Amino acid sequence: KNEVEQSPQNLTAQEGEFITINCSYSVGISALHWLQQHPGGGIVSLFMLSSGKKKHGRLIATINIQEKHSSLHITASHPRDSAVYICAVISSGSARQLTFGSGTQLTVLP
Amino acid sequence: DSGVTQTPKHLITATGQRVTLRCSPRSGDLSVYWYQQSLDQGLQFLIQYYNGEERAKGNILERFSAQQFPDLHSELNLSSLELGDSALYFCASSGYSGAASEQFFGPGTRLTVL
Repeated sequence: KNEVEQSPQNLTAQEGEFITINCSYSVGISALHWLQQHPGGGIVSLFMLSSGKKKHGRLIATINIQEKHSSLHITASHPRDSAVYICAVISSGSARQLTFGSGTQLTVLP
Repeated sequence: DSGVTQTPKHLITATGQRVTLRCSPRSGDLSVYWYQQSLDQGLQFLIQYYNGEERAKGNILERFSAQQFPDLHSELNLSSLELGDSALYFCASSGYSGAASEQFFGPGTRLTVL
């Protein structure tokens, strides 16, 4: 079993829909990153969080440390949100490296 | 634009060869991370340097090595290349030595080994 599991693997939505991507992990962590990888391959860091909730524009990330679970929400989705979203954790025992989930491919249709 | 640059953008080479990938971090960032993204393994952490010194090692093969120079740019050397080394190689930089800080990713180098 992978240390970091994401669901769903693929997600297709209509423009304007509310989207949720989930990330579960099996190890104790010090922080969790959400990354966005564009169709061209470039990676952008969206959030880094260790507790609670963060919001940036239409994106919201939450984390529940006790349940070892994080969610990334996109409100009022748009075709430009189409990308791969990747969750990555920093385990408590290895504070210097990221362990990545396999990613969620999101397609938002106009 | 993250401020992190990587060269070359694409590299095509043959099995058994050696290549060098280059990364320049954002101005002021002391940490450089190298990652490999392949179709079958996804993203994997390879190695981290902080201010010229190796700080963390991940799933980096013995055929691979890296260094960070006094001007803080970093190079990843891949030798005795195999078909399975074909992947996207990203570097990222941050201002801190730990991974619990925002990382800024370069555009990647796509390596194809024929």
